[in-house]
Amino acid sequence: DAKTTQPPSMDCAEGRAANLPCNHSTISGNEYVYWYRQIHSQGPQYIIHGLKNNETNEMASLIITEDRKSSTLILPHATLRDTAVYYCITGGTSYGKLTFGQGTILTVHP
Amino acid sequence: DADVTQTPRNRITKTGKRIMLECSQTKGHDRMYWYRQDPGLGLRLIYYSFDVKDINKGEISDGYSVSRQAQAKFSLSLESAIPNQTALYFCATSVAGGTDTQYFGPGTRLTVL
Repeated sequence: DAKTTQPPSMDCAEGRAANLPCNHSTISGNEYVYWYRQIHSQGPQYIIHGLKNNETNEMASLIITEDRKSSTLILPHATLRDTAVYYCITGGTSYGKLTFGQGTILTVHP
Repeated sequence: DADVTQTPRNRITKTGKRIMLECSQTKGHDRMYWYRQDPGLGLRLIYYSFDVKDINKGEISDGYSVSRQAQAKFSLSLESAIPNQTALYFCATSVAGGTDTQYFGPGTRLTVL
């Protein structure tokens, strides 16, 4: 699985969009980009994933660059409950294994 | 996710004791995983199982064993617990043949004294 690089921490004001970047320059053609988050010490929660196209669901949007070497997770209207560690992960469909890095600590403040 | 449950949620034990952590899921997924998380670190894969007869070691399997009793149950055992196995343990499931979207249980906090 390709390695990802994320900033260790970010801040965001409540109600504003939170844009979390991720670099995955060694991603291979069949690997997806996944985003998970972990609130305090709870189990990680799946947010979104994508292969080439941008994706949107009820939680977030995922923007993947055309060369697929980086992506951005967008939380359109961050709330205090979005404070968590956000993990960007790349992986293929054949192994079923996800490699978690240290993620980005997102702090949403009033 | 309530569809993936772990027992116990908290456990304190002593060095040398045998411990079993249990995971059950009602999602009907074939694949199940065990991870551990140490403070300030990401999750590391211990074992994974793609179906009842297929069990594989992850990156940190030494000191652990697993049993896949049924599609819905995957247990992790520490044969002789040691203090550096103190960690948060998470079970996860995913659909076979789909993407690697995994669904995690609430975790077990294990302390080995």
